[in-house]
Parts: sequence; C-alpha cells; structure tokens
Amino acid sequence: DAKTTQPNSMESNEEEPVHLPCNHSTISGTDYIHWYRQLPSQGPEYVIHGLTSNVNNRMASLAIAEDRKSSTLILHRATLRDAAVYYCILSDYETSGSRLTFGEGTQLTVNP
Amino acid sequence: ETGVTQTPRHLVMGMTNKKSLKCEQHLGHNAMYWYKQSAKKPLELMFVYNFKEQTENNSVPSRFSPECPNSSHLFLHLHTLQPEDSALYLCASSQDPRGRQPQHFGDGTRLSIL
Repeated sequence: DAKTTQPNSMESNEEEPVHLPCNHSTISGTDYIHWYRQLPSQGPEYVIHGLTSNVNNRMASLAIAEDRKSSTLILHRATLRDAAVYYCILSDYETSGSRLTFGEGTQLTVNP
Repeated sequence: ETGVTQTPRHLVMGMTNKKSLKCEQHLGHNAMYWYKQSAKKPLELMFVYNFKEQTENNSVPSRFSPECPNSSHLFLHLHTLQPEDSALYLCASSQDPRGRQPQHFGDGTRLSIL
C-alpha cells in the first residue's frame, strides 16, 4: 500500500480556515486520495476524495498537487464540531483491494 | 442518521461467552466491511463482503466468524475471545468495493473482554 504522511496534530481557531497537509510521494496513477475524519466516540466519517483535479463539496475542499505527491484538505471556516482526527488515505483496488489503510491521522484541535 | 446501524453499542463478555455483533445498512450498498480499532492503534480491516460473498479475510483469528446473509446485514460472531480483543468494532458499507466510492461507517460496538 502506498503510504501517507500527516502531522500528528494541528491547532486552529474557530471561524478561521484550516489547511491539513498530506504527503504521498509513492502514489500510483490509479490511487484515489480519500479523507475521512473521526470524532470522539463515533465511527469515521467520509469527508472528500479525488484523483487528479481539485474537489469541492459542502464539507471541505481538496487541493491536489500537480505531481499528486501531496494534497491538502481545506476547511474554510473551522467550527468546534470540526475537532477530530483527520485521515488521509490512498485507495487502489488493483493493488490493495477494498481496504482503506488508516494511519495515525492528524488530531485537529479547534479553539473557541 | 448515518445509514449504518450497529448493535449493541457496548458489550461486556467473558472469555468463554458467545455473542454476536450486528450491522445493518439502509443505503443500498453492495459491499460491507468489519474493522477493528484498538486503543492507540489505527483501524485494521478484518473482513470484506461483496454481494454477500466474502472477498477478504485479513488473517483474522477463527474466534471471529463473520456472516453476511444479504447485502444489508452483516454479523460478527464471537467466541472464546481473549482480553486483547477488547476494542471498538466498526462496520462500514460502500456502493463500490473497488475503492472508488466512499465507505460509510457505523458508530461501532465497544467490546470489553473480562
């Protein structure tokens, strides 16, 4: 499985934008980039995913580098409810089947 | 409402007991998954089912026995578990098992082995 690297923790202030980085230098051409987050006492929650182009949805934006070796999850206005562990995951059925290989993720703290 | 419901939310059992975890999804998905999340460790994929057929078993001990009677229901039967099996067990489903569509997770069953 291609590996991702994320900072262990990040801190933000409420109502400010948050940029969560992820490095994936060994990404293959068919790897999708997925972001999930896990709030305390809950299962992981899908945030966004993409392949090559930047993606936007109601929760966040995903900015993918042109060489695809890194990506950034952007929360445009952080709220206290966004405090969670954020996971950046590569997924390619051809090499890794259906599995999502979760790493340690980034613990995001949002200050009021 | 996540669309994936797991019961029970909490379970305490002795090492000699037999119990089952249940997962139900109302999303019309074709693939279902069991994950294990131990304290301070990343989620580990245990089993994958696609159209009721098991397609992955990631070297899970036989004391964990999955069952998928239809695409909407998934069970995990437990027997003679060990203390190290205490963990959060998460069920997920997806429309496409080929990694191109997101997985939707339940909130898990917190299992404690005495």
